[in-house]
Amino acid sequence: AQSVSQHNHHVILSEAASLELGCNYSYGGTVNLFWYVQYPGQHLQLLLKYFSGDPLVKGIKGFEAEFIKSKFSFNLRKPSVQWSDTAEYFCAVNPYSGSARQLTFGSGTQLTVLP
Amino acid sequence: GAVVSQHPSRVICKSGTSVKIECRSLDFQATTMFWYRQFPKQSLMLMATSNEGSKATYEQGVEKDKFLINHASLTLSTLTVTSAHPEDSSFYICSASPPGLETQYFGPGTRLLVL
Repeated sequence: AQSVSQHNHHVILSEAASLELGCNYSYGGTVNLFWYVQYPGQHLQLLLKYFSGDPLVKGIKGFEAEFIKSKFSFNLRKPSVQWSDTAEYFCAVNPYSGSARQLTFGSGTQLTVLP
Repeated sequence: GAVVSQHPSRVICKSGTSVKIECRSLDFQATTMFWYRQFPKQSLMLMATSNEGSKATYEQGVEKDKFLINHASLTLSTLTVTSAHPEDSSFYICSASPPGLETQYFGPGTRLLVL
């Protein structure tokens, strides 16, 4: 079975600092990759996704992620974080089945941005 | 964007009672919906896949007689926690994908507390 690892459980940054959250997955086949964000008290929202093509994908709110197939990684980045980026971030993987669209989530990374 | 709602957002019940949670896709039809469970400070764990007009598919370790799923229409799936116990207290989240899209959209979740 596939698994998703997010090694950083809690990250604390000051405003304007750069962010990189790690995500590694274990699955030998083609996958679809996602980053979701959960702001305090709100539901999961899609930040960005990778299906195919350019491995550097840009999402909402200035976030981007790079798919490195050889490393089975899909790290999330943002050059300059804001206080409003404080949230929980989840990496998720969907084996390319074309139908079930089941997601396997990582354990999440809590990002706290200090003003 | 696609909107998924859940009702209720929060429920408190006594041990031994049953609780029904609704998941609705508001602006699209979904033949498949997914039910997740999220424990505090942990990731989302897929419980089951709800299929319109047929039986749900449960993940290993999830009791199908305890977590009854009914997907009676293309916009509604219900999860009934039967004979609830305190250990069933958790955050239950549903998701759905618009036809032809590989992206899941999540509901706001239902927090269940069993006393």
